[in-house]
Amino acid sequence: QVQLQESGPGLVKPSETLSLTCTISGGSMRNHYWSWIRQAPGKGLEWIGYIYHSGSTRYDPSLKSRVSMSVDTARNQFSLKLSSVTAADTAAYYCARQLVAADVVVFAFDMWGQGTMVTVSS
Amino acid sequence: QSALTQPASVSGSPGQSITISCTGTTSDVGTYDYVSWYQRHPGMAPKLIIYDVTERPSGVSNRFSGSKSGNAASLTISGLQAEDEADYYCSSYAGSTSFVIFGGGTKLTVL
Repeated sequence: QVQLQESGPGLVKPSETLSLTCTISGGSMRNHYWSWIRQAPGKGLEWIGYIYHSGSTRYDPSLKSRVSMSVDTARNQFSLKLSSVTAADTAAYYCARQLVAADVVVFAFDMWGQGTMVTVSS
Repeated sequence: QSALTQPASVSGSPGQSITISCTGTTSDVGTYDYVSWYQRHPGMAPKLIIYDVTERPSGVSNRFSGSKSGNAASLTISGLQAEDEADYYCSSYAGSTSFVIFGGGTKLTVL
């Protein structure tokens, strides 16, 4: 059974860079798209971006200027960096895998981490 | 404000059926048959229960069903059980610019 686990600092200062890592166990990263999704307190879920096992990326336009993602297939990990954070970036951050059904990539996420809360505060 | 609109809460008694709505626009739900639904219990990871409007992943109970009409999608849970009490989120593909958008979530209470 594939499992995802987020890790990283729970507190980040304003204007600094938020860094999180997602470690995948029980499966390979190959042939899957891996996303970061967040949920601010009292708000809905927000897709941040994805990275393919090859390293190709796609980011939400509203965050694109501040986001970067990387992948380390040897360690079965992918990472998120979000720069110049403000209080508006305070949220629970989830890593998730995009579903592949009958060899077709689906616009849905079938595996999620438990999420990690990141607070932006001085 | 979330991109897709869901009711904040719904409730039902055991054995009953409930429906949760998810309203979008012609840029997302109305154009693409790529609506998904997720169930999340407190402190747990979200669980995919419906994708591509009506498809259920392996292992998901057939008490969960999805549908779509125009710009609105719906999740129906039949034969309500206590374990169904959770938060439910819808999502939709929103085209090449926005990719995937979500609803604000609906809290289901089993009375």
